[in-house]
Amino acid sequence: AQSVTQPDIHITVSEGASLELRCNYSYGATPYLFWYVQSPGQGLQLLLKYFSGDTLVQGIKGFEAEFKRSQSSFNLRKPSVHWSDAAEYFCAVVNDRGSTLGRLYFGRGTQLTVWP
Amino acid sequence: EAQVTQNPRYLITVTGKKLTVTCSQNMNHEYMSWYRQDPGLGLRQIYYSMNVEVTDKGDVPEGYKVSRKEKRNFPLILESPSPNQTSLYFCASSLLSQKGPYEQYFGPGTRLTVT
Repeated sequence: AQSVTQPDIHITVSEGASLELRCNYSYGATPYLFWYVQSPGQGLQLLLKYFSGDTLVQGIKGFEAEFKRSQSSFNLRKPSVHWSDAAEYFCAVVNDRGSTLGRLYFGRGTQLTVWP
Repeated sequence: EAQVTQNPRYLITVTGKKLTVTCSQNMNHEYMSWYRQDPGLGLRQIYYSMNVEVTDKGDVPEGYKVSRKEKRNFPLILESPSPNQTSLYFCASSLLSQKGPYEQYFGPGTRLTVT
């Protein structure tokens, strides 16, 4: 079955430090991949997406992610974290084949805390 | 303004009392979907629809019904709600490609409590 793993439930970083949030998926092809962010009490906002082409994608708020087919990963990075980045981050994958074509799978989320 | 709207935003109900949460989008999106969000579990897809009159089960469809009679609307129906359906619900829509949906546009969420 399709699955998305975010191995880090909670990450704490200091403001100004670099950040990497991990995402692995169980899939053999090149699915659509997304990162969303959810601030406390808010809805979900798209950070970035990968469909095809260049494996390094840029998103909003200075985030970037790299698709690595060999590792089935789509890790999110930011070189310098701001206090306003504190939120929960979700990785998502679309199933693009078979009887569950169109189904969307989310990871369980990584909660980011930023120390001043 | 392009948006996905959900109503109601908050709902407290009792076990067994049928309820409907409405969802509407004004972006002419083909794909619509419902998710529930529970602490520690992320978002789980309940049902999705890739076209009018076409609906498919997601990961957690038990206890829910949906319909897609018009392109813009995708209501979520709980025929006999139970306490384990207490959750935060999100509706979303997107354009659709041959490989599946593009990025989701989410509604503001509906917080449902079933006592």
